[in-house]
Amino acid sequence: AQKVTQAQTEISVVEKEDVTLDCVYETRDTTYYLFWYKQPPSGELVFLIRRNSFDEQNEISGRYSWNFQKSTSSFNFTITASQVVDSAVYFCALSEASIQGAQKLVFGQGTRLTINP
Amino acid sequence: ETGVTQSPTHLIKTRGQQVTLRCSSQSGHNTVSWYQQALGQGPQFIFQYYREEENGRGNFPPRFSGLQFPNYSSELNVNALELDDSALYLCASNPSLGTGGPLGYNEQFFGPGTRLTVL
Repeated sequence: AQKVTQAQTEISVVEKEDVTLDCVYETRDTTYYLFWYKQPPSGELVFLIRRNSFDEQNEISGRYSWNFQKSTSSFNFTITASQVVDSAVYFCALSEASIQGAQKLVFGQGTRLTINP
Repeated sequence: ETGVTQSPTHLIKTRGQQVTLRCSSQSGHNTVSWYQQALGQGPQFIFQYYREEENGRGNFPPRFSGLQFPNYSSELNVNALELDDSALYLCASNPSLGTGGPLGYNEQFFGPGTRLTVL
């Protein structure tokens, strides 16, 4: 069965600090996709990144970077030089590839990130 | 903004009542999924509709049902409401299954949600 674990329930840091959000996943499939979403107080989930199971290259987008390590089933997210606007709940999610049937996202419990000025 | 809209924004019902939530998908998307997000939890998959048919279902009882219309908008119906049904209900759309990549590849675009409170 698929499972996503975000062990950090809440993180609070001071602005400009770097912060890493952890994500560990479980799946029996060899082909799967990992996602990160951001949920600001408005409630709408905002897509941040997608990674497929065959691409272990780390990715950097501005202040955001992602570290995918298949050997440890982890897909961690780092925000460099955090800003108050980064405050939100962040979700890691897993989707398995399938020939037919629903494409469903399995989400972790989320990490509430608070950036203090 | 993703172009996915949901109505109403908030809703208060009492136990035993029935509720209908609505979702308009992003233009060009014919696949709609519904998720339930309880307070402090991650979203849980309810079901998905593709070309007006249910295409997969999560671990939710039959009193959770849905519809998709020819314009790809969708409804989520919940009968015999229970207190535990209080949650944020999120609708998500994505491009046609299998286009733009294999199944599972496409990111889902989420609406702002409907917050349902059952008293």
